[in-house]
Amino acid sequence: GEDVEQSLFLSVREGDSSVINCTYTDSSSTYLYWYKQEPGAGLQLLTYIFSNMDMKQDQRLTVLLNKKDKHLSLRIADTQTGDSAIYFCAEMDSGGYQKVTFGTGTKLQVIP
Amino acid sequence: EPEVTQTPSHQVTQMGQEVILRCVPISNHLYFYWYRQILGQKVEFLVSFYNNEISEKSEIFDDQFSVERPDGSNFTLKIRSTKLEDSAMYFCASSEGTGGDGNTIYFGEGSWLTVV
Repeated sequence: GEDVEQSLFLSVREGDSSVINCTYTDSSSTYLYWYKQEPGAGLQLLTYIFSNMDMKQDQRLTVLLNKKDKHLSLRIADTQTGDSAIYFCAEMDSGGYQKVTFGTGTKLQVIP
Repeated sequence: EPEVTQTPSHQVTQMGQEVILRCVPISNHLYFYWYRQILGQKVEFLVSFYNNEISEKSEIFDDQFSVERPDGSNFTLKIRSTKLEDSAMYFCASSEGTGGDGNTIYFGEGSWLTVV
């Protein structure tokens, strides 16, 4: 089945850029997503990218997709303490019913 | 902005009891989902629902679980005889399913179920 992997932890200083990486195995992924989860809260959709795109920028967020290597990254520019959360990469397969497979999540800690 | 709403936000139940978790998906969405997240673990797919029937389910979604769309707005997850290992955050989600931006899946805030 599909598998999505992420590093577990990332620590950055406030004002620096954060880069969260994700790898996936499903070569037929159609959409790839980034969700943010703050402690005890739900899953907030941050951004997504279609599999036929290489890059998408949305304010402080930049998503890069390397489809050949099945690698997705999320760059957060000018990281703020409010960005501290768990970030989940997720991919939608082409199975037709839009099931999404989540990664393990990366806990981002922003140091003031 | 439209959102997926879930009730209750937190429920404590005794082992063996039945639980119903409720969700109101975004109104023009056609696909509905339940996911769960055991504390500290991955978010796991349970079931997807389209056109008034289950379209896909995971191994986790056994005979203990059922879903229903009792009216035009609600989508429920029933757990028939809860076990300790059912303790988790349960997320409802929905999407338009029309392709393009319509494949964006929106999640609710979750219902935290504690089985004691």
